[in-house]
Amino acid sequence: QSVLTQPPSVSAAPGQKVTISCSGSSSNIGNNYVSWYQQLPGTAPKLLIYDNDKRPSGIPDRFSGSKSGTSATLGITGLQTGDEADYYCGTWDSSLSAVVFGGGTKLTVL
Amino acid sequence: QVQLVQSGAEVKKPGASVKVSCKASGYTFTNYGISWVRQAPGQGLEWMGWISVYNGNTNYAQKLQGRVTMTTDTSTSTAYMELRSLRSDDTAVYYCARHVRGVRGISWYYYFEYWGQGALVTVSS
Repeated sequence: QSVLTQPPSVSAAPGQKVTISCSGSSSNIGNNYVSWYQQLPGTAPKLLIYDNDKRPSGIPDRFSGSKSGTSATLGITGLQTGDEADYYCGTWDSSLSAVVFGGGTKLTVL
Repeated sequence: QVQLVQSGAEVKKPGASVKVSCKASGYTFTNYGISWVRQAPGQGLEWMGWISVYNGNTNYAQKLQGRVTMTTDTSTSTAYMELRSLRSDDTAVYYCARHVRGVRGISWYYYFEYWGQGALVTVSS
């Protein structure tokens, strides 16, 4: 049981847009910054978004992040088959004094 | 370019210990901390803890306290994670990651900029 809650799976057609939600509480998302990671099959995770909405260099602007209250959202536009991956949200939990992750969301591009 | 290269796969018996290495290159090793994250087969990510390469301070996940030790060797720019008293549920891919962490006001930021390729540790009798 993960501290942060994500939908197990989402799907959309190529070229469409999809959003992935990440729900937490005041001890984690509500008061700390959220990051998002993409894990392609058989590879290590890769940083997509940090500080709620910032993209590292090299990450296309098709990927966006936002936060409101105790929830965060990852948006992906112009879906490509290469975007098929597992996506994880993460943040610091001030009550647990630990990094917590969502359970991951599997994106299928139909 | 920043690279974190980890040691290879290991097979251990229950009760044994494992030590995974993570060799960093492409940046000044002492300027960033290293975190360890593991992923059991078919499961999500689990944070294990971090080490400050600058001063050696550590912070471990509560569930691993007493079984895990994270260290670094600045002469070789290598970080190590040792896990003792291995159990079958420790079977996982273990990742090292260069992290960025800090506080702005009352809000903490903590994210993993670069990751190693992972090291599979299998615990089986």
